[in-house]
Amino acid sequence: AAGVIQSPRHLIKEKRETATLKCYPIPRHDTVYWYQQGPGQDPQFLISFYEKMQSDKGSIPDRFSAQQFSDYHSELNMSSLELGDSALYFCASNRQETYEQYFGPGTRLTVT
Amino acid sequence: QKEVEQNSGPLSVPEGAIASLNCTYSDRVSQSFFWYRQYSGKSPELIMSIYSNGDKEDGRFTAQLNKASQYVSLLIRDSQPSDSATYLCAVNIVINNAGNMLTFGGGTRLMVKP
Repeated sequence: AAGVIQSPRHLIKEKRETATLKCYPIPRHDTVYWYQQGPGQDPQFLISFYEKMQSDKGSIPDRFSAQQFSDYHSELNMSSLELGDSALYFCASNRQETYEQYFGPGTRLTVT
Repeated sequence: QKEVEQNSGPLSVPEGAIASLNCTYSDRVSQSFFWYRQYSGKSPELIMSIYSNGDKEDGRFTAQLNKASQYVSLLIRDSQPSDSATYLCAVNIVINNAGNMLTFGGGTRLMVKP
């Protein structure tokens, strides 16, 4: 079965640079969620989109923005990167009428 | 106090034994409960979902939900070394009648010893 696709899988950036993470949900899934997982921590919800509109917002810094496109893929844009942004970033997807979220493999972001 | 809490472990059980993982959540309108398994450096993998009080069984896994006591548990029967991972309890906590985001407990690290 098709799964959530994330790219890139690994990303190394310097402080104050920008980064763009991409997420392609499971086919026919209309809702995308972004989570951040720091070392030794559990995933923290950042933001979600349903039918290309932002539906919920969690602990996402103002330096970050995201959007969902007409093909339902989503991009997380991160600017003015800080050392503390180094983490695993997961995208998850589902259909709005269900609650089970399926996670992608993640993007490991390292900020040096 | 965190909205979802788990004992961080590690929980060590011998191969073939039953592993029991517990999770408590705060008194909001929580509707959906999930158990994810996460191997180190990998993504969370959904293994069980439960929505109503009682038990739900799927293979070697049984999820138990008690909304009155605000806890959800996961039993793993015939534990195998490959079950060694961090188990994340996730709750869909509805705030202000909106939201479908998951709030995770800190995870319990399970170690199954051969």
